[in-house]
Amino acid sequence: EAQVTQNPRYLITVTGKKLTVTCSQNMNHEYMSWYRQDPGLGLRQIYYSMNVEVTDKGDVPEGYKVSRKEKRNFPLILESPSPNQTSLYFCASSFKAGGWEQYFGPGTRLTVT
Amino acid sequence: DAKTTQPNSMESNEEEPVHLPCNHSTISGTDYIHWYRQLPSQGPEYVIHGLTSNVNNRMASLAIAEDRKSSTLILHRATLRDAAVYYCILRDVNSGNTPLVFGKGTRLSVIA
Repeated sequence: EAQVTQNPRYLITVTGKKLTVTCSQNMNHEYMSWYRQDPGLGLRQIYYSMNVEVTDKGDVPEGYKVSRKEKRNFPLILESPSPNQTSLYFCASSFKAGGWEQYFGPGTRLTVT
Repeated sequence: DAKTTQPNSMESNEEEPVHLPCNHSTISGTDYIHWYRQLPSQGPEYVIHGLTSNVNNRMASLAIAEDRKSSTLILHRATLRDAAVYYCILRDVNSGNTPLVFGKGTRLSVIA
């Protein structure tokens, strides 16, 4: 089944404790992206990747890192999480960048205390 | 992405057709019309997209006005599982990174 998977689905952590949210897609998509969704603010892009080893900042990259060493994986790294990073995170992928339809993972609900 | 306008909410009875409208009067020639939906506590889900001609897939149909300034997403038989927020978005297929920007969308309620 074609899908985007994320792990973990739920995470409660403390300020400053490094964490990684994994994202994997099995559709051989070139383009991958991370979003966060907050009430009243909608979806906001954190980072994106046009292809392997090509990543760039989205609209709200502060406090996050990403890597794209393999085509299928695009982990999101929070080196020193803070409470303002408490949010619902979605990974998405599409065949290429541009107007192609995007497929989303199930989401990771992160709480930083 | 160019701006779209949708009603805030709509209601439908189960097993009846639903027509969700979207206005996009400033659409450009290279903008595709995309529809996504987000069910409660789930990730956004791609529904359908089109450029000029009407489109059908297993989930829905998309009817596009001749002048392309409006479109309608059609769910042929609404089910309780179709209760979600539906977003109409214009996306330029020739652009590079184009993050999805969801507006307020239309909240569809389905009544059993």
